[in-house]
Amino acid sequence: EPEVTQTPSHQVTQMGQEVILRCVPISNHLYFYWYRQILGQKVEFLVSFYNNEISEKSEIFDDQFSVERPDGSNFTLKIRSTKLEDSAMYFCASRERAWDNQPQHFGDGTRLSIL
Amino acid sequence: GENVEQHPSTLSVQEGDSAVIKCTYSDSASNYFPWYKQELGKRPQLIIDIRSNVGEKKDQRIAVTLNKTAKHFSLHITETQPEDSAVYFCAASITGAGSYQLTFGKGTKLSVIP
Repeated sequence: EPEVTQTPSHQVTQMGQEVILRCVPISNHLYFYWYRQILGQKVEFLVSFYNNEISEKSEIFDDQFSVERPDGSNFTLKIRSTKLEDSAMYFCASRERAWDNQPQHFGDGTRLSIL
Repeated sequence: GENVEQHPSTLSVQEGDSAVIKCTYSDSASNYFPWYKQELGKRPQLIIDIRSNVGEKKDQRIAVTLNKTAKHFSLHITETQPEDSAVYFCAASITGAGSYQLTFGKGTKLSVIP
């Protein structure tokens, strides 16, 4: 069964540094998402992406965050200047289509630790 | 925006007993309700979902019920097994113009005691 893949599995970064989290969605999927989960808390929506542009973003997704689909397969989340509170598990998800509520498939996540 | 409340936050049951997890949602426009199981350090995995045109759905030991009037939905696991131990998240989604992102509940840590 095809899967969403994310790299790296764990990223340790100094506060103030830039990080890029990478995702390869399932190949025929059209909608892409980033969620984050602070340790012990619920999964929170960050941003959705469709047709090469952001569809929606949450209050968490401020100017420090950006997303990009640089080629036909990768979907990246960039944090420009990381803060301690950015430490979390970041999940990428994709879905084939949205109009009939096809399920979202999640990757294994990237654990981001800011020192 | 949508708000999803989930109860209980922790649940311990004896192996073989049933477990019930309940969620409420705030936006009556929500019409898709998936349940995800998350084992420690792993991805959320979809275990069952229900759409608003259905009141109940069952898949082997797992069932979900939906009450649109009361805006709540529940997950039922029967004949629980130790491998059911995990954190379970409910979620809600609204269709319409937009990307249909999921709004999650806070999760229920289920422990099945052998």
